[in-house]
Amino acid sequence: AQTVTQSQPEMSVQEAETVTLSCTYDTSESDYYLFWYKQPPSRQMILVIRQEAYKQQNATENRFSVNFQKAAKSFSLKISDSQLGDAAMYFCAYRSAFGQNFVFGPGTRLSVLP
Amino acid sequence: DAEITQSPRHKITETGRQVTLACHQTWNHNNMFWYRQDLGHGLRLIHYSYGVQDTNKGEVSDGYSVSRSNTEDLPLTLESAASSQTSVYFCASSESGKNEQFFGPGTRLTVL
Repeated sequence: AQTVTQSQPEMSVQEAETVTLSCTYDTSESDYYLFWYKQPPSRQMILVIRQEAYKQQNATENRFSVNFQKAAKSFSLKISDSQLGDAAMYFCAYRSAFGQNFVFGPGTRLSVLP
Repeated sequence: DAEITQSPRHKITETGRQVTLACHQTWNHNNMFWYRQDLGHGLRLIHYSYGVQDTNKGEVSDGYSVSRSNTEDLPLTLESAASSQTSVYFCASSESGKNEQFFGPGTRLTVL
């Protein structure tokens, strides 16, 4: 079974600075998808960014980018120019290309300091 | 706009009572999921459905049941609520072949 690990329960960053959240996963599959979801205090789960394992190019969405290292099974999220609104729980998630179910990591709580 | 809703948003109940949490989506998605969120565990899959009349057990299904009689709804029932089932519950849906899951706003359930 696949597992997702986020080794940083909590992180903090100064406003306008850059922060990187770590995620590693364990799978024997070669084709899969990876996601970062954001959960602000409202509890709503919001998709931040997705990566297809067959794509070598790292995904980017505005200030959010990933560093996808397939051989190392690592999928970190970089947030540039951090804003107060980025403060939230961030979950890394895995989905096999052959199924519909997600496996989530335990989450990293990000605080943004003014 | 299409959406996914959950009700109630908050629920307090007593141990041993039956509780049903509703989930309704207007995306017309085939796939629907129930998760529970607990500190240190992230979201764990309770049950899921890939279509009408299809239901499957997830990682933490003991004490829970679901039924899927139409595309839009997947109610989650706690047959006899226990204090260990105090949690925040999320419903999600996705379209087959597509990547993303769309989440409801969550239900906070407290079992006293």
